[in-house]
Amino acid sequence: DAGVIQSPRHEVTEMGQEVTLRCKPISGHNSLFWYRQTMMRGLELLIYFNNNVPIDDSGMPEDRFSAKMPNASFSTLKIQPSEPRDSAVYFCASSAQGALGYTFGSGTRLTVV
Amino acid sequence: KQEVTQIPAALSVPEGENLVLNCSFTDSAIYNLQWFRQDPGKGLTSLLLIQSSQREQTSGRLNASLDKSSGRSTLYIAASQPGDSATYLCAVIDSSASKIIFGSGTRLSIRP
Repeated sequence: DAGVIQSPRHEVTEMGQEVTLRCKPISGHNSLFWYRQTMMRGLELLIYFNNNVPIDDSGMPEDRFSAKMPNASFSTLKIQPSEPRDSAVYFCASSAQGALGYTFGSGTRLTVV
Repeated sequence: KQEVTQIPAALSVPEGENLVLNCSFTDSAIYNLQWFRQDPGKGLTSLLLIQSSQREQTSGRLNASLDKSSGRSTLYIAASQPGDSATYLCAVIDSSASKIIFGSGTRLSIRP
């Protein structure tokens, strides 16, 4: 298995632009998580899905952030419009209901200038 | 609300030493606990997973223990090497097995 796959690895965009981050979970995993990591705040859970349904989005910072999971093998995290304070590394993780732990992708480093 | 704390925040030791990283959590009703390693600019690599019914797990030079009643876990690294330098994160998976909550990590530096 190739693990959790995220794209792009790096993204540099101008303030106000729309940004879309992508994630492909491990096949057979039914839970998917989006995290944001910064030096100041560490790892923050943004949203998670169970069987493609959003369960808890209380960590999504603002309405500018939205996430979708149209099927079991794909999820997106969208920021529109982006702001410099959104600059961070965004991680996607998947799990088979936590029983065997969580597997993380390599992350997307987002820089908003 | 579950809170996970890791002490110390940073640790520097000479190569060859055995060391212990600490993790504490406030709610003992957990599903399991997972230790991760993160290298600078990289993602998280799972090291050890301890189920709530287990007391410890071992992988090579690493040993993780879990004491649910006291809300503590330790990661023991034997015969440390410069390649062990990284940030080590402790994460608790809640009792519903639906959420993982991270500590802030311990930044470990092994001096040659």
